[in-house]
Amino acid sequence: NAGVTQTPKFRILKIGQSMTLQCTQDMNHNYMYWYRQDPGMGLKLIYYSVGAGITDKGEVPNGYNVSRSTTEDFPLRLELAAPSQTSVYFCASSYGLTGDTEAFFGQGTRLTVV
Amino acid sequence: AQSVTQPDIHITVSEGASLELRCNYSYGATPYLFWYVQSPGQGLQLLLKYFSGDTLVQGIKGFEAEFKRSQSSFNLRKPSVHWSDAAEYFCAVGAALGNEKLTFGTGTRLTIIP
Repeated sequence: NAGVTQTPKFRILKIGQSMTLQCTQDMNHNYMYWYRQDPGMGLKLIYYSVGAGITDKGEVPNGYNVSRSTTEDFPLRLELAAPSQTSVYFCASSYGLTGDTEAFFGQGTRLTVV
Repeated sequence: AQSVTQPDIHITVSEGASLELRCNYSYGATPYLFWYVQSPGQGLQLLLKYFSGDTLVQGIKGFEAEFKRSQSSFNLRKPSVHWSDAAEYFCAVGAALGNEKLTFGTGTRLTIIP
């Protein structure tokens, strides 16, 4: 029962470095999401995907890029890390896109940019 | 645009006491409403959801929530809390129609004291 798996769990980046946060789900969900969670701010949607080859921006997409080459994988790319990107990142997947289906979340990646 | 307000940032209750976490939403049509729980170091897990029908919904771990359209509220309750309920709780709203994504509140952190 793997569900949604995120790697790495923790990472420290220097300003200007790049990295990719990995996300894999084994539930055959078409819809996948990336959120960031900042203290006192709740979860903000970065990008989402409705299926392989299709992605779209969420509420806070600046500084990030995504791709969806398979149903299972939805990596999030940070090209030029900035301190403002210090956050906890959650990947999620769901059966449906509309807000009427349960989203399944990974355990998160805690990223610190110094 | 839809929005969610959780007015209580942090709540402390004694083990065995009753609990009510507040959630107010703003949405122009029939909302879909969710409560998620996040244990320390974990991703979010769905507690319960309301789509239609009976306005009192039961969830996992002994939680329930009541949808009150007149008050635009969806408060979470539990008659007797356990130490394991200490976590952060998020209310979320989704759209009944269209392709809106979930909008999360800022969360309420629950502390349980012996």
